[in-house]
Amino acid sequence: NAGVTQTPKFQVLKTGQSMTLQCAQDMNHNSMYWYRQDPGMGLRLIYYSASEGTTDKGEVPNGYNVSRLNKREFSLRLESAAPSQTSVYFCASSSGGDTQYFGPGTRLTVL
Amino acid sequence: GNSVTQMEGPVTLSEEAFLTINCTYTATGYPSLFWYVQYPGEGLQLLLKATKADDKGSNKGFEATYRKETTSFHLEKGSVQVSDSAVYFCALRGYRGSTLGRLYFGRGTQLTVWP
Repeated sequence: NAGVTQTPKFQVLKTGQSMTLQCAQDMNHNSMYWYRQDPGMGLRLIYYSASEGTTDKGEVPNGYNVSRLNKREFSLRLESAAPSQTSVYFCASSSGGDTQYFGPGTRLTVL
Repeated sequence: GNSVTQMEGPVTLSEEAFLTINCTYTATGYPSLFWYVQYPGEGLQLLLKATKADDKGSNKGFEATYRKETTSFHLEKGSVQVSDSAVYFCALRGYRGSTLGRLYFGRGTQLTVWP
């Protein structure tokens, strides 16, 4: 039981490049989330998916798109990366109850 | 709207000292409240939670009581260890409507414990 896994762990992009962050969970959870963590800002919700087939914007969705590929997988795409998107990205999942389970994070640098 | 304000750090303590990290919240309705911990280089882990007023969450010697009258959920530990060094996040879970199920985090408090 791996919990929530994220790939890649680290990534460096140039401004304007695109990339997709992958997230998968093996806990049969309905809900999945993408957050970004910036120094002194805590975690801010980018997008979430309450169930397979649905996605909704969170607090800071601009510059991102998501796909809930199936119940297990929820990907985050940056179409044209900007230096302001340099951050640590966390994926999380929950069964719809209170507790969210987090992945180990992806550290992204945009030059 | 929903928001969480927590004590700014960093907090530096000697081993066996008493720890308090303050957390207050603003929310509509009756949110659930959480403390998450992040060890260096890792994701967040749930430390404890409370789902209704006057509930006390506890885990690994840490405690926090849901105080609706003061809208607070302060984290305490009677005797910290070096292994408690981490970043601690207070959070609330949205209670209704478009916020249902969403977590709102404070900015985090860095704790360093020296031997």
